Amino acid sequence: DQQVKQNSPSLSVQEGRISILNCDYTNSMFDYFLWYKKYPAEGPTFLISISSIKDKNEDGRFTVFLNKSAKHLSLHIVPSQPGDSAVYFCAASYGYGQNFVFGPGTRLSVLP
Amino acid sequence: EPEVTQTPSHQVTQMGQEVILRCVPISNHLYFYWYRQILGQKVEFLVSFYNNEISEKSEIFDDQFSVERPDGSNFTLKIRSTKLEDSAMYFCASRAGQGFTEAFFGQGTRLTVV
Repeated sequence: DQQVKQNSPSLSVQEGRISILNCDYTNSMFDYFLWYKKYPAEGPTFLISISSIKDKNEDGRFTVFLNKSAKHLSLHIVPSQPGDSAVYFCAASYGYGQNFVFGPGTRLSVLP
Repeated sequence: EPEVTQTPSHQVTQMGQEVILRCVPISNHLYFYWYRQILGQKVEFLVSFYNNEISEKSEIFDDQFSVERPDGSNFTLKIRSTKLEDSAMYFCASRAGQGFTEAFFGQGTRLTVV
């Protein structure tokens, strides 16, 4: 049962352009969403999060948008840089102290 | 910057042997987690730990697995009798509080069961 889906296994973008990574979820109880970035042989690194009371959160080059009615969130990276090349995981949780459910990840390649 | 540290970085063990994976969460964090990622697959939740007891566990976390916080700083995952399918990256994570707070992950331990 895939509660968190990332339907694009990979994405290639030119340096300087916008990267848009998408995530869909099925569990309407989720109220907190996060994006993690992961390099090979390293642990996930927290990037940005959003709670269900917001529809947008911005941090530098990273912006997360949440559409609760569509159960959809997206991560925008502008401008994309070669160092952004990694696997990006969407994660979701609900309730206090609950674990995070991860999506399968999207591999982003930013081409110079 | 505070970080979650895990040891060892790589552990090779024979099938049927016991392994202990160690983690030092960020001090003053209250929630602790173990996740794993089998090569090429998604990151999967194993167990969460709060107030010196398991607060939630997945179906993966069967009787072969146990967790402990023996001394107030280390957080360990024990696999009693390893199987080939336990080979994976194991990630420890900690979280400052409940609600809308992020989890910080360690670098992982690569467990190889032969």
